[in-house]
Amino acid sequence: NAGVMQNPRHLVRRRGQEARLRCSPMKGHSHVYWYRQLPEEGLKFMVYLQKENIIDESGMPKERFSAEFPKEGPSILRIQQVVRGDSAAYFCASSPGGVGEQYFGPGTRLTVT
Amino acid sequence: GQNIDQPTEMTATEGAIVQINCTYQTSGFNGLFWYQQHAGEAPTFLSYNVLDGLEEKGRFSSFLSRSKGYSYLLLKELQMKDSASYLCASNNAGNMLTFGGGTRLMVKP
Repeated sequence: NAGVMQNPRHLVRRRGQEARLRCSPMKGHSHVYWYRQLPEEGLKFMVYLQKENIIDESGMPKERFSAEFPKEGPSILRIQQVVRGDSAAYFCASSPGGVGEQYFGPGTRLTVT
Repeated sequence: GQNIDQPTEMTATEGAIVQINCTYQTSGFNGLFWYQQHAGEAPTFLSYNVLDGLEEKGRFSSFLSRSKGYSYLLLKELQMKDSASYLCASNNAGNMLTFGGGTRLMVKP
């Protein structure tokens, strides 16, 4: 049973470009969460999704950031017009239900130059 | 609001015991997680406490007191590979995790 998969593992973007981060949850998991970890800081919740629904996006910046989890395919976190402050590790986690342990993917390390 | 506090850094000796404390103030509390994170890697699950008391799992144990908003992670027989960050996280209404800043543990020979 493959774990949570994220790609790319490393992403370099110039300021103003778009970044697309993908997350495939563990098999059988329909709940996906995105977290951001700035250098030397803890993880911060961004958004919680189920298939075709955003359940909680209270941690997502209002502008430039969006997330989706379509009926088919991976969850996507999209950052438009990236700025240097977006440089961070973005982790995706999944769970089988709405309560309990979340399994984390390896993360995507975004560097904005 | 949500607030999780844990020490920033701790140092311990190989073979010893170390206790990492965590205090939390959150609403809609559903339980307390501990994760281990090695530098540059994903967090890996260690323990989940919902009820008060001690949960033991091999060399690692975790304790929760809901009335005090307090938890600790106890690591016994420390090994060099236990050098990592230990993340305390509360599970809140809506199943989002609120993380503390993490405790960086250095195990010395």
